[in-house]
Amino acid sequence: DGGITQSPKYLFRKEGQNVTLSCEQNLNHDAMYWYRQDPGQGLRLIYYSQIVNDFQKGDIAEGYSVSREKKESFPLTVTSAQKNPTAFYLCASRPGTGYGELFFGEGSRLTVL
Amino acid sequence: GNSVTQMEGPVTLSEEAFLTINCTYTATGYPSLFWYVQYPGEGLQLLLKATKADDKGSNKGFEATYRKETTSFHLEKGSVQVSDSAVYFCALSGTNAGGTSYGKLTFGQGTILTVHP
Repeated sequence: DGGITQSPKYLFRKEGQNVTLSCEQNLNHDAMYWYRQDPGQGLRLIYYSQIVNDFQKGDIAEGYSVSREKKESFPLTVTSAQKNPTAFYLCASRPGTGYGELFFGEGSRLTVL
Repeated sequence: GNSVTQMEGPVTLSEEAFLTINCTYTATGYPSLFWYVQYPGEGLQLLLKATKADDKGSNKGFEATYRKETTSFHLEKGSVQVSDSAVYFCALSGTNAGGTSYGKLTFGQGTILTVHP
């Protein structure tokens, strides 16, 4: 079955550590996105990539980094510079055509201890 | 810029009650409109969409009509079930006159729905 796989589902980190969240899709979608979800604040865009080897900052990119070396993969690194990293992180993808709807993974919950 | 405003929640209903979740938007160009649903601990699933004015999206008993004159896309269901308990997000994707998507979704804050037996 085609879909988006995020891992790990739950992750605990100590302050000062970098962590990388994985996102893989086998939908052959061109664009991929990372959103952060906090209670009562909806979804906020961190980074997105419309094509391999290219990506753009979203609304809250500070303290995060990404890479897009392969079409199917878009990992997100949460660095120690991110002041409040505890959140639910959602990866999404979109085909090159269509009306812009996104397809989401199951999410990764990061907790900083 | 684009923005989406949803009614404040949470919304609590009894089973078989009528549901309305209001959504209004501000956008340039010709946006497509979406409703997503999120069950506890999961990602978002597309519930329905409408891509031009007066379009009605529908799925699983839910409906929403794209009203350009009132810039609204309210979600309705005639008879809710306990299994409809979830968070509902309204979203828009900006497009140009040719219908090409700008590629980013703007989300509302989300509305928590709880349905009691």
